[in-house]
Amino acid sequence: GAGVSQSPSNKVTEKGKDVELRCDPISGHTALYWYRQSLGQGLEFLIYFQGNSAPDKSGLPSDRFSAERTGGSVSTLTIQRTQQEDSAVYLCASSLLDRRGNTEAFFGQGTRLTVV
Amino acid sequence: EDKVVQSPLSLVVHEGDTVTLNCSYEVTNFRSLLWYKQEKKAPTFLFMLTSSGIEKKSGRLSSILDKKELFSILNITATQTGDSAIYLCAVEAIEFPNTGNQFYFGTGTSLTVIP
Repeated sequence: GAGVSQSPSNKVTEKGKDVELRCDPISGHTALYWYRQSLGQGLEFLIYFQGNSAPDKSGLPSDRFSAERTGGSVSTLTIQRTQQEDSAVYLCASSLLDRRGNTEAFFGQGTRLTVV
Repeated sequence: EDKVVQSPLSLVVHEGDTVTLNCSYEVTNFRSLLWYKQEKKAPTFLFMLTSSGIEKKSGRLSSILDKKELFSILNITATQTGDSAIYLCAVEAIEFPNTGNQFYFGTGTSLTVIP
């Protein structure tokens, strides 16, 4: 597609349930990032993929969070046994490493997760 | 530890005022600095800066980078209510060996423009 696509756009779940958030990056973009933004907070880095591998998982807040990327394209962020503090907007971005020109991170519209 | 710091955290001005937003950074393997505007969920791209001293301009917005002092400023002149948003600064760093690039974000400056 033309841009980064995230689904669902909104998700309300009960505490303790698992959720899966999906990100479709821009075609051909090798790098993919997940961020979280809680109300009134800045962007919090979660995980970064280069291709299918994740060189940097340092931002995942707990072992309830995991992410995978298959085929160098779609990524899924999974949160197990959700807690109320997981409520936030989850943003995905992709970029293309290009030494010759400019690069930027293109963002999806985000998934607003509410844990009740 | 790599970090990006923005100031002020929040700012309230009247329409027509000029504002300056600051971003300082300590990032190894710096490649570029980017400014984003966030109104709802997804940040939208404003500027990318890679060279010191070269001002980038788009309408009432302009930005410049100082790679020696490790900071950038974003200026908005003749502010309008539509400028109300969170302005995010991000620094792109090249991860070695050739594993890709990483973006480090500041926490943003929340700008409110009052009519």
